[in-house]
Amino acid sequence: DVQLVESGGGLVQPGGSLRLSCADSDFTFSTYWMSWVRQPPGKGLEWVASIKGDGGENYYVDSVKGRFTISRDNAKKSVYLQMSSVRDEDTGVYFCVRGRSSSIWGQGTLVIVSS
Amino acid sequence: DVQLTQSPSAMSASVGDRVSITCRASQDISIYLAWFQQRPGKAPQRLIYTASTLQGGVPSRFSGSGSGTEFTLTISSLQPEDFGTYYCQQQSTYPLTFGGGTKVEIK
Repeated sequence: DVQLVESGGGLVQPGGSLRLSCADSDFTFSTYWMSWVRQPPGKGLEWVASIKGDGGENYYVDSVKGRFTISRDNAKKSVYLQMSSVRDEDTGVYFCVRGRSSSIWGQGTLVIVSS
Repeated sequence: DVQLTQSPSAMSASVGDRVSITCRASQDISIYLAWFQQRPGKAPQRLIYTASTLQGGVPSRFSGSGSGTEFTLTISSLQPEDFGTYYCQQQSTYPLTFGGGTKVEIK
């Protein structure tokens, strides 16, 4: 089965940094767009960022531009989200998502921004 | 940015009922729309992509229709395991966006 496993979530203070990781088990990982989608507690889904298979294109929601960076390592079949200058409103479950059409989702990792 | 408006935001229906959820886009997105089901405490699962293509393994009582700016997810005969929140997502243009969700409760 294709699986995505996120890690790296936790408690971080406002203004701090955190790096999320997502490991894919599929050997065709490098052919897929990968994304991060988040969900604040009790709220709906919000797309955060996407990166092309070769890493040559990436896109971000306006609220994280200049603070978050999406990257990937195809040799390790992994995608990352570097979160900096975090704010209270960045709190939520972060899902790693495979494909431009969001076909496969990880189980999520919880990020809590609090002092 | 493309705004997606889902309706209703919540509903309660009985087992066996036919249920429809609408997703309206603020601009033409062709057929680049997907539907997801999310049960409490779980990750979303894709049900439908490119507006009407059923994801493998998803029961045939789920169907999707529409193009352009108006889309519908239909459950032909609601089952107890269909509770949860349903989201649409446009995949036509970045930033990708989601609808606000429709919470489905089984009476």
